[in-house]
Amino acid sequence: EDQVTQSPEALRLQEGESSSLNCSYTVSGLRGLFWYRQDPGKGPEFLFTLYSAGEEKEKERLKATLTKKESFLHITAPKPEDSATYLCAVPYQYSGAGSYQLTFGKGTKLSVIP
Amino acid sequence: SAVISQKPSRDICQRGTSLTIQCQVDSQVTMMFWYRQQPGQSLTLIATANQGSEATYESGFVIDKFPISRPNLTFSTLTVSNMSPEDSSIYLCSVVLAAVPGELFFGEGSRLTVL
Repeated sequence: EDQVTQSPEALRLQEGESSSLNCSYTVSGLRGLFWYRQDPGKGPEFLFTLYSAGEEKEKERLKATLTKKESFLHITAPKPEDSATYLCAVPYQYSGAGSYQLTFGKGTKLSVIP
Repeated sequence: SAVISQKPSRDICQRGTSLTIQCQVDSQVTMMFWYRQQPGQSLTLIATANQGSEATYESGFVIDKFPISRPNLTFSTLTVSNMSPEDSSIYLCSVVLAAVPGELFFGEGSRLTVL
């Protein structure tokens, strides 16, 4: 059975203190790995898709990387507005129209303290 | 992107009652899904809402408990039937846009509390 495990469950950083979040997965024939951000009381917001080992994507202070077994979300010099829960997900079944059903991890709750 | 509106945003319900959640999208979409997010748990897919036909349910979810309708390409409903406290959760509608295949867009969710 495909599994997605995220660590740590929670992370508290001082503003400007860089760190990384981890997403490890066990899935046969990876068809992409997705990162989402979820603010309290909101639905998840898509951030990145990574398709192959060695691939990197960047957005502002966030950089996502992918290896054959895990993905990292690096946060450089975070600000309080980066506080959110970060979710990763992998596809497990094709659902049509170019999309897949996703298995999500439980997320890492990031708190950035001013 | 798409604007996805869910109603209600939150509700408190009594055990044994049923509640219908609506999802309205501002553009026609092919794929629409319903997810559940229980406290401390990951997002779990309930079903794929199929336009004009019965929804496709994931393992552990059944039509009698979670009937779904999708009369057109912009609207769907999820009913949580005969609720118990274990059904207290956030229920999320999500869609795939043809322009960005493989990426999900989510509504803001409906937070249900069952007493």
